[in-house]
Amino acid sequence: DIVMTQSSLYLAVTPGEPASISCKSSQSLLHSNGYNYVDWFLQRPGQPPQLLIYLGSHRASGVPDRFSGSGSGTDFTLKISSVESEDFGVYFCMQILQTPLTFGGGTKVE
Amino acid sequence: QVQLQESGPGLVKPSETLSLTCSVSGGSVRTFYWSWIRQPPGKDLEWIGYIHYSGSTDSSPSLKSRVNMLVDTSKNQVSLRLSSVTAADTAMYYCATSAIVPAASFDYWGRGTLVSVSS
Repeated sequence: DIVMTQSSLYLAVTPGEPASISCKSSQSLLHSNGYNYVDWFLQRPGQPPQLLIYLGSHRASGVPDRFSGSGSGTDFTLKISSVESEDFGVYFCMQILQTPLTFGGGTKVE
Repeated sequence: QVQLQESGPGLVKPSETLSLTCSVSGGSVRTFYWSWIRQPPGKDLEWIGYIHYSGSTDSSPSLKSRVNMLVDTSKNQVSLRLSSVTAADTAMYYCATSAIVPAASFDYWGRGTLVSVSS
């Protein structure tokens, strides 16, 4: 199985400031088609996860452009250009290169 | 807009079979791949598996021997059965799908249903 590691369990941020969350995979998620097979989700308390970024860098429908995904191979980053109050919650990365799909342990932005 | 709603018993006894249903509205179960994901209290998300109405299916090796998923096109529902449950199967269970990447990049989720395994 591919192991997804989010090294930071917590990230303290201030509204209006930028934030960056990292995720590392145990093997390359770069597909031969050029896409990195990693998604990012935000889970607010009591809610299901919300897709933010798919295939490494593509914003999901309705996701504000302050969110961006970058990275390639085994190292990935989710960036928030200017944190807003609604952005607080737990962020997960997930690899979709192969089954079983696997998730990172989450980074709580608080 | 696809909407998903999970339902099932909130409490299941050890060694019994957990049965959940995901009701789909705003779209046809024939259209997408349907996935199940669970989250034990305070723990990481875990992918259970997916199914397509064509019969294509895959599940986590750690659960494969106990998992059965079905698509009911007449009811527009997807179901999950997990046999021989233990306390380790206590979790919030989510049904999810994607209009972007088949069986991945889940942009539609149900609100989840909490299942506790206890005698």
